[in-house]
Amino acid sequence: SAVISQKPSRDICQRGTSLTIQCQVDSQVTMMFWYRQQPGQSLTLIATANQGSEATYESGFVIDKFPISRPNLTFSTLTVSNMSPEDSSIYLCSVYWTGVVRQFFGPGTRLTVL
Amino acid sequence: ELKVEQNPLFLSMQEGKNYTIYCNYSTTSDRLYWYRQDPGKSLESLFVLLSNGAVKQEGRLMASLDTKARLSTLHITAAVHDLSATYFCAVGIIQGAQKLVFGQGTRLTINP
Repeated sequence: SAVISQKPSRDICQRGTSLTIQCQVDSQVTMMFWYRQQPGQSLTLIATANQGSEATYESGFVIDKFPISRPNLTFSTLTVSNMSPEDSSIYLCSVYWTGVVRQFFGPGTRLTVL
Repeated sequence: ELKVEQNPLFLSMQEGKNYTIYCNYSTTSDRLYWYRQDPGKSLESLFVLLSNGAVKQEGRLMASLDTKARLSTLHITAAVHDLSATYFCAVGIIQGAQKLVFGQGTRLTINP
């Protein structure tokens, strides 16, 4: 499996600010996804990061709140905009390769909004 | 809308005992994943089940899939403390995206 890294690993932010989270993979991947895990909860898919085009968002998530970029096959960013305490969560990227059955997750970014 | 339900959500058991976690899902899928999450950590891939009747085993964990019943099980044999964690099942949605829908998770505590 490849090495997946996320930056930052954690952050504490003030209400109304924005934070950009980076996901870097050490090899080219087919698909990249962003998930949110609220405290004590399961994981929910935010969006699929599409290389060179706009991300595909799931119901309940919008581009203005969670803009996503994927400029190449190894890198993606998720921005959490105009944050409120309800955005306090762990944000995880996951990656998938065509022909590889498993889907792997990055280490996560633990965000606390005050 | 695909729904994935796990039970139990919380499980406390003694070392040496056997138990099973159940994962039911509501629509057809071609793959079922099991992940482990330790507190404060990310998800570790345990198993991927691709076909009806598939069974995978690693150590004290064994996963199986019944696509007709839309049911997967994760069986723990002779539990040890190191298996304490939260276990998630997730169902893959095809349509070219390989998106995952997760169950609620089962928090497993194994007591000495």
